[in-house]
Amino acid sequence: DVKVTQSSRYLVKRTGEKVFLECVQDMDHENMFWYRQDPGLGLRLIYFSYDVKMKEKGDIPEGYSVSREKKERFSLILESASTNQTSMYLCASSLTGIAYEQYFGPGTRLTVT
Amino acid sequence: KNEVEQSPQNLTAQEGEFITINCSYSVGISALHWLQQHPGGGIVSLFMLSSGKKKHGRLIATINIQEKHSSLHITASHPRDSAVYICAVRSLIQGAQKLVFGQGTRLTINP
Repeated sequence: DVKVTQSSRYLVKRTGEKVFLECVQDMDHENMFWYRQDPGLGLRLIYFSYDVKMKEKGDIPEGYSVSREKKERFSLILESASTNQTSMYLCASSLTGIAYEQYFGPGTRLTVT
Repeated sequence: KNEVEQSPQNLTAQEGEFITINCSYSVGISALHWLQQHPGGGIVSLFMLSSGKKKHGRLIATINIQEKHSSLHITASHPRDSAVYICAVRSLIQGAQKLVFGQGTRLTINP
């Protein structure tokens, strides 16, 4: 079974803090994704990585950066957390190709106070 | 206007009822996914389809490419089917690896 794990289920941080969210997948997938999910807005893509050290901006990259130093690990970084970044963050991974589905992690509910 | 629209946004039904959730999209696609998200956050893939119909247990997904429309049906619904159901498409414009998501349909099945 494909497993995608995220470092925390719940996280509370203060405004201005630097926040790291980690995602690890164990199926040698090339592609990894970071989404945020907000009520009424659905899932929105923050960043996407299609290979080690390769990244592409999604729909809402402002205020975020990412790092992919190893194939299995994709990190989302909030350089200076703000209250409008309070959200559910979901990581996903997939193989390359249109026939492959994305596998999701359990999510991290981040609260910025 | 969102590229992927789902209806209804919320649906409450009694156990045993036949459920239909609809998804319409406005872009050319290579595939459409139906996902399920239970309280607590985890998302699992139910179906991926590019034509016709797929069935898994009590779940049936159909797609009409010409009309840019898909439906997810649940027969003999049960309280454990209560979840958010999400439609997502692989847009030909966005690129094959990315998904564009609908806003989700919150389904509640009462015993």
